[in-house]
Amino acid sequence: AQSVTQLGSHVSVSEGALVLLRCNYSSSVPPYLFWYVQYPNQGLQLLLKYTTGATLVKGINGFEAEFKKSETSFHLTKPSAHMSDAAEYFCAVSDRGSARQLTFGSGTQLTVLP
Amino acid sequence: GAGVSQSPSNKVTEKGKDVELRCDPISGHTALYWYRQSLGQGLEFLIYFQGNSAPDKSGLPSDRFSAERTGGSVSTLTIQRTQQEDSAVYLCASSRGGTATYEQYFGPGTRLTVT
Repeated sequence: AQSVTQLGSHVSVSEGALVLLRCNYSSSVPPYLFWYVQYPNQGLQLLLKYTTGATLVKGINGFEAEFKKSETSFHLTKPSAHMSDAAEYFCAVSDRGSARQLTFGSGTQLTVLP
Repeated sequence: GAGVSQSPSNKVTEKGKDVELRCDPISGHTALYWYRQSLGQGLEFLIYFQGNSAPDKSGLPSDRFSAERTGGSVSTLTIQRTQQEDSAVYLCASSRGGTATYEQYFGPGTRLTVT
């Protein structure tokens, strides 16, 4: 079975600082990888995904993530945090192939300090 | 275009009552998913539909939970004889399905409180 580990349930950064949210997966075959963001009392919004091809993927709101097979990681970064980035972030994986369920990490709450 | 919609947005029910949660997927999306988000368990997969069929019901926590989808569109998640541990946010998502793309688009959720 797949599993996803997000290191750090809470991360605080100063406005303008680098954001780094960590995600590692456990799967015998590299899965599809996703990052979602959830604002209070809202559903999940897709930030970016990796399925195939270039391992550095860019998403919305200036976020990007790099798939590293050797490290089984898919860490999310943003060069400069903005107050509006404060939210909960979820890493998720799904099996390759046709539409499949997502397996989520436990989430990381990002706080941006002024 | 319109996103995934869910109703009601909030539901408070007494223990032992049945509840129905509704999901309207994005038009043209053939795959539909239900997830549950709770403080103790995080985000859990419940069930997946491709068209009106549910090839994967593995996440349903008990036989009190059931779901159906009609016309390849609207889906209803039913919880019978609700228990306090059923309190959670129930999220619905849809995707194009098949092999074209794998993004799941989520609705705002239904917050269920069992008293």
